[in-house]
Amino acid sequence: EAGVTQFPSHSVIEKGQTVTLRCDPISGHDNLYWYRRVMGKEIKFLLHFVKESKQDESGMPNNRFLAERTGGTYSTLKVQPAELEDSGVYFCASSQVPAGNTEAFFGQGTRLTVV
Amino acid sequence: QQQVKQSPQSLIVQKGGISIINCAYENTAFDYFPWYQQFPGKGPALLIAIRPDVSEKKEGRFTISFNKSAKQFSLHIMDSQPGDSATYFCAARRGSTLGRLYFGRGTQLTVWP
Repeated sequence: EAGVTQFPSHSVIEKGQTVTLRCDPISGHDNLYWYRRVMGKEIKFLLHFVKESKQDESGMPNNRFLAERTGGTYSTLKVQPAELEDSGVYFCASSQVPAGNTEAFFGQGTRLTVV
Repeated sequence: QQQVKQSPQSLIVQKGGISIINCAYENTAFDYFPWYQQFPGKGPALLIAIRPDVSEKKEGRFTISFNKSAKQFSLHIMDSQPGDSATYFCAARRGSTLGRLYFGRGTQLTVWP
């Protein structure tokens, strides 16, 4: 069974540009989470989808970040326009039921560098 | 505000030694405390987890000790091996948040052969 897959693995963009990150969860997992780790800091929650609906987006930093999950399958996270402080590793995780009651499986992450 | 505080930031242990990583939390609503292990280029993977109704959980060489009154929990790795070298994250979750995890800052463990 394929795990959680994220694309791209790395992205280097200039300040002001747009970047779109993609996450393919494990098949059948209704719950999808985005997290971010800025260098040396904790992994921070961004948002939670249940199927195609945003269950909790309280961790989104600002309106430059837009997450979508069309059809309840893969998800995208767009940053527009990117700022220097957006640099970090973005993780996606998925679980069959809310991850509080079962394990959440993480992807390998997308390392975003904004220069 | 950081909900889960983790220490140390880095740890160097000799092969066969005991690695100890500590975490502390403030929110008494937390009801699930997992530890994640992350190797370079990989995502965090669940290692072991505990709920606050028990004081200790052991799985192989890995043990979580939990002190509810002190609001602290720790990971002990017995007989540490070079293959244990990785970044370890403690985390916490409260039942009302549908799986949202609050992570510590991570500990970079290096086990020398």
